[in-house]
Amino acid sequence: DAKTTQPPSMDCAEGRAANLPCNHSTISGNEYVYWYRQIHSQGPQYIIHGLKNNETNEMASLIITEDRKSSTLILPHATLRDTAVYYCIVKGNTPLVFGKGTRLSVIA
Amino acid sequence: EAGVVQSPRYKIIEKKQPVAFWCNPISGHNTLYWYLQNLGQGPELLIRYENEEAVDDSQLPKDRFSAERLKGVDSTLKIQPAELGDSAVYLCASSFNSGANVLTFGAGSRLTVL
Repeated sequence: DAKTTQPPSMDCAEGRAANLPCNHSTISGNEYVYWYRQIHSQGPQYIIHGLKNNETNEMASLIITEDRKSSTLILPHATLRDTAVYYCIVKGNTPLVFGKGTRLSVIA
Repeated sequence: EAGVVQSPRYKIIEKKQPVAFWCNPISGHNTLYWYLQNLGQGPELLIRYENEEAVDDSQLPKDRFSAERLKGVDSTLKIQPAELGDSAVYLCASSFNSGANVLTFGAGSRLTVL
């Protein structure tokens, strides 16, 4: 599976949009981009995934560049409860492989 | 619907003692995973089950770790004997099958080895 690069940490003001970037320049054509998050003392939680089109659900939006080498997870109105580690994962037919993720701190 | 249930949530043991963790996956989920998470790191896969069969256990340290999934439902992960370096969170996850897009994780079992 392709590797991903994420910033180790980010801050976001409560109520503002949180934009979390992810680079995956070696992604293959059949690999999806997945996002999970892990709130303190909990297991990872699925957020969203996509192949090449932008995706939106009740939690977030996923923007994938046309060349698929990078993506951005958008939390439109961040709340304090969105403080967590966010993992960007590129996955083909193998189990999820987690990196260190981005620690997002939402600040009041 | 109940999520993935793990127990115990916390366990403190002396080194060289045995320990076991239990996982009850979501009903109907055929694939079960055990992940290990060290402090400040992302989870790492230890073993994956398809029903009763362990189909990927290449990362499981077989000298001291063992796992089973009898009847293809609940699973147990055992460490015997535990070492100081085994202190970590042990996460269980399940999915409908290995090709499913979404894994559901339990809250984890935090092990401290003294």
